[in-house]
Amino acid sequence: DGGITQSPKYLFRKEGQNVTLSCEQNLNHDAMYWYRQDPGQGLRLIYYSQIVNDFQKGDIAEGYSVSREKKESFPLTVTSAQKNPTAFYLCASSINPDFTDTQYFGPGTRLTVL
Amino acid sequence: GENVEQHPSTLSVQEGDSAVIKCTYSDSASNYFPWYKQELGKRPQLIIDIRSNVGEKKDQRIAVTLNKTAKHFSLHITETQPEDSAVYFCAASPLRGNRDDKIIFGKGTRLHILP
Repeated sequence: DGGITQSPKYLFRKEGQNVTLSCEQNLNHDAMYWYRQDPGQGLRLIYYSQIVNDFQKGDIAEGYSVSREKKESFPLTVTSAQKNPTAFYLCASSINPDFTDTQYFGPGTRLTVL
Repeated sequence: GENVEQHPSTLSVQEGDSAVIKCTYSDSASNYFPWYKQELGKRPQLIIDIRSNVGEKKDQRIAVTLNKTAKHFSLHITETQPEDSAVYFCAASPLRGNRDDKIIFGKGTRLHILP
């Protein structure tokens, strides 16, 4: 569990502000993922990165942006264009970048827009 | 694209009884089916997975069955215990090597184990 961390645990944002969520892993995993979890909606994929300096949109990428400049880091920026950003955000990583491998999740960040 | 339906959304069973959660998927190319357990306030963790080359897999009290023809797979928990109370997510993922291939999760089942 300690191999992948997210910060902060709770985050409050005013409408119209961008905010960046941190995700770090020391598991030497190639692939990293961002999910959004809403009550009754399961886990929805926002962005994923299969290798450093490369990333792809998931199913709900609008209003979000990411970067993957280092293997161990995959920050997510929630922009003011995201219409309903209040949610629980989970980061994950896996050894293999093909979605057929165990994903190890971070503890999550709960974002609240005031 | 892939669509995963999970049922039921909530399930209550008496301690010691069995629990079954079912998922269906739409993309016949899907061939990896993991199940994740998320306890209250904690992160999801993989509990079991199955690939399309087998029909059943067991790990102590947990088993998963896969019917590729019908495109459904199920999680079976026997002799349920209080610590089994959690939200369970199924997922499906293809292995075609296409850049657009992704994993799709079901909406989750909240399992309550009644004393």
